[in-house]
Amino acid sequence: EPEVTQTPSHQVTQMGQEVILRCVPISNHLYFYWYRQILGQKVEFLVSFYNNEISEKSEIFDDQFSVERPDGSNFTLKIRSTKLEDSAMYFCASMPRAPYEQYFGPGTRLTVT
Amino acid sequence: AQKVTQAQTEISVVEKEDVTLDCVYETRDTTYYLFWYKQPPSGELVFLIRRNSFDEQNEISGRYSWNFQKSTSSFNFTITASQVVDSAVYFCALSEARGSGGSNYKLTFGKGTLLTVNP
Repeated sequence: EPEVTQTPSHQVTQMGQEVILRCVPISNHLYFYWYRQILGQKVEFLVSFYNNEISEKSEIFDDQFSVERPDGSNFTLKIRSTKLEDSAMYFCASMPRAPYEQYFGPGTRLTVT
Repeated sequence: AQKVTQAQTEISVVEKEDVTLDCVYETRDTTYYLFWYKQPPSGELVFLIRRNSFDEQNEISGRYSWNFQKSTSSFNFTITASQVVDSAVYFCALSEARGSGGSNYKLTFGKGTLLTVNP
């Protein structure tokens, strides 16, 4: 069964460094999302992406964040200058059409030291 | 703004007991979608069910059942004859169509309920 994949599974970085989190959504899905979950807390929406553009972003998704779908298969989240408070699990999700359920990847645990 | 409340932070039961996880939601939209996701200790988010706001029919899938009541804005989840493998955090979530042509459908999650099933 097709699934969303994410790499790396765990990323450790120093404060101020740039990180790129990678996701390969399920083929033929049209809607793409990034969420994050700070340890022990709820899952929070970051950004949605449809038709090659951002359709909505949360207040968390400030100028330090960006997303790209460069080649029709990968979907990346970049954090330009990481902060300690960016430490969290980052989940990518995709949806085949609307409305439907979102399928989540296994997550990337980002640790900023 | 949309909001999901899961008042039960943690529930602990003994195997074979039935358990109900509560979910109350708020939305101004007349068309919306409700979901339950399971997050086992391994951390992934596993989709369990989706309901549309215009379909209040309750659903049963094996040991799982869901009770959707628009009158009380609730979408509760019951596990019958719980098993140790049911131990996980369970999230209720809500989505509405937003953006140009409804191109969003972001999920708003509750804080989750940690269910521990003891042998």
